[in-house]
Amino acid sequence: QVQLVESGGGVAQPGRSLRLSCAASGFTFSSHGMHWVRQAPGKGLEWVALIRYDGSNKYYVDSVKGRFTISRDNSKNTLYLQMNSLRAEDTAVYYCARDQNYGDPSVTYWYFDLWGRGTLVTVSS
Amino acid sequence: EIVMTQSPATLSVSPGERATLSCRASQSITSNLAWYQQKPGQAPRLLIYGATTRATGIPARFSGSGSGTEFTLTISSLQSEDFAVYYCQQYNNWPLFGQGTKLEIK
Repeated sequence: QVQLVESGGGVAQPGRSLRLSCAASGFTFSSHGMHWVRQAPGKGLEWVALIRYDGSNKYYVDSVKGRFTISRDNSKNTLYLQMNSLRAEDTAVYYCARDQNYGDPSVTYWYFDLWGRGTLVTVSS
Repeated sequence: EIVMTQSPATLSVSPGERATLSCRASQSITSNLAWYQQKPGQAPRLLIYGATTRATGIPARFSGSGSGTEFTLTISSLQSEDFAVYYCQQYNNWPLFGQGTKLEIK
C-alpha cells in the first residue's frame, strides 16, 4: 500500500550525528518532492527540509542549515536526513512527508499529502 | 516573517454539534493554506488544501473557507473520531504551521 516508513532515530549526545531514512512504497517516489517535518515533545509542527523530485534542489529551515543534509536515492525509493552537530533543541519526532503532485513533478506545492509515522530523535548527554 | 495564529487553543464541543476553528496569517497568503488533523501518537493527515479543497477521502463534513489572512475550518457534525488536534499551515512562503487547536469532547 501507499506508505512512508521512517527509521534511524534514537538517542545521541550533543554534537554527534544521526542519519534518518524514509522508505517509500506504493507510489512513484521519483515523481514527488519530499520533506522532513519535526515535532518536539508536546509541541507543534516545524518544517525542516525539502528535496525536489530529482534531487536538484534542497531547502532548509534556518535552524538546521549547515548541520542537516537531505538526500534521496530514487533507485531505492528512499529519503534520508543526515543530522550532524546535534543540539538538545533538535529533540523531536521526525516525519517524512510527500509533496503534492498533480502531474508535473517539477512543481513544488509545499504542503504534505502523505506522512510517515515518524521516528523519535533524542539529543541528550 | 509570517506568523500563523490559531484560535482557540482548545475547543470543547459535543458530538453532533458544529465546530469552527480559526487560523489567521499576519500577512496575506492568498489561498495557500492547508489544514491537518493529528490524533495522539499518529502522524498528521491532510484535510484541506488551497484553503477550500478537501483532500482525497476526507468526509464532506469537513470544509474550509477564507482567503488572504483569515481562514476557517468547519466540521459540520462532530463524530467521535474527529476529536484531535488541528493545525493550519501556510505555503505562500516557507511552510509554517500554526500552534494548533485541540478539539475535545464537551
